[in-house]
Amino acid sequence: SYVLTQPPSVSVAPGKTARITCGGNNIGSKSVHWYQQKPGQAPVLVIYDDSDRPSGIPERFSGSNSGNTATLTISRVEAGDEADYYCQVWDSSSDHVVFGGGTKLTVL
Amino acid sequence: EVQLVESGGGLVKPGGSLRLSCAASGFTFSSYSMNWVRQAPGKGLEWVSSISSSSSYIYYADSVKGRFTISRDNAKNSLYLQMNSLRAEDTAVYYCASRSSSWWFDPWGQGTLVTVSS
Repeated sequence: SYVLTQPPSVSVAPGKTARITCGGNNIGSKSVHWYQQKPGQAPVLVIYDDSDRPSGIPERFSGSNSGNTATLTISRVEAGDEADYYCQVWDSSSDHVVFGGGTKLTVL
Repeated sequence: EVQLVESGGGLVKPGGSLRLSCAASGFTFSSYSMNWVRQAPGKGLEWVSSISSSSSYIYYADSVKGRFTISRDNAKNSLYLQMNSLRAEDTAVYYCASRSSSWWFDPWGQGTLVTVSS
């Protein structure tokens, strides 16, 4: 089965840039989606189709996907960005949705 | 306003059954594929099941296949998850979510907690 690997945690100072990676075999050939989840809340879509932002998501959030790694980049990080972030793909070979294990973003 | 509201969660004994519901409003429910995603306490997101708009295509995670059944009633704007032979490891918050053609999920409901314990 297809596996997505995320670092358990990433820490960044306010105003700096956070990069959260999502590794998978030839993930560049798939569409990657990213979700933000704050404690006690439902996940919220922040990036879809590798790099598109839903309406209402700040331009500070961007995404890229190539080779074996997809990356969610958060520029000018704010305290309110502190949350868990999950990547997700559809694996057509198994007809399964796959989520990464999640990355906890800590704003120092 | 687009809204998804789950219900039906609760405490159930191992081996028992439960039926979750998800009421949709604010969008044309019958045009969208729908999904269930769960999250065990302190753990990450786990996809459970997907159903296409007309119920023609249904998919399950290996962990629930044969025990859970997803269904929908487009006339009632509702999604369901029948859960049988429940196990302790099925304990989780269960979210329903609408799905795009590219398989991203948006929006999500607020979730309903299922606890399987004796």
